[in-house]
Amino acid sequence: DIQMTQSPSAMSASVGDRVTITCRASQDISNYVAWFQQRPGKVPKRLISVSSTLQSGVPSRFSGSGSGTEFTLTISGLQPEDFATYYCLQHNSYPLTFGGGTRVEIK
Amino acid sequence: EVQLVESGGGLVQPGESLRLSCAASGYTISNYWMTWVRQAPGKGLEWMATINQDASETYYVGSVRGRFTISRDNSKNSLYLHMSSLRVEDTALYYCGSGRSLGYWGQGIQVTVSS
Repeated sequence: DIQMTQSPSAMSASVGDRVTITCRASQDISNYVAWFQQRPGKVPKRLISVSSTLQSGVPSRFSGSGSGTEFTLTISGLQPEDFATYYCLQHNSYPLTFGGGTRVEIK
Repeated sequence: EVQLVESGGGLVQPGESLRLSCAASGYTISNYWMTWVRQAPGKGLEWMATINQDASETYYVGSVRGRFTISRDNSKNSLYLHMSSLRVEDTALYYCGSGRSLGYWGQGIQVTVSS
């Protein structure tokens, strides 16, 4: 099974900060990574698919990059509504696996 | 507007069975792979199972293989998850989602397994 190691597991940041979250795959998964945002008590929402494709309606401050085993989600200019938990998902091979999540909290 | 609506959850005892349904509207599921994901209280997301468009391919996480069955009825635009031999550790909020990378999600349905 492919392990997705997500880091950090939690972080504190201020409005306006640039935030980077990383997922490392235990083997090459090409670009088959999606990123999700889950606000407290809410349904997860896909932000990015196939590593870097921004979903319609998602603000351009979100970006994704990476291929192979190393992937990043970057938020350029954190906004109050961005305080949430973020997950990566590899969908290259079964079983599909999520990263453990990164909780972004207000500093 | 795409909507996925889960139903069929509830409180059951260990060893019992339950069938979850996911009804789609504004979206024709016959064109897409479909997926179930769950989230235990206070925990992260866990992929459960995925099924292809004509149900000829199904995939499961190891912890539920042999106990859970994913299925679909394209004529009813619906996805299902039949869960048997339920365990306390299956307690979670269950989501259905579209595709393998979960472009759309349902609102989730609670399943509680407790004696």
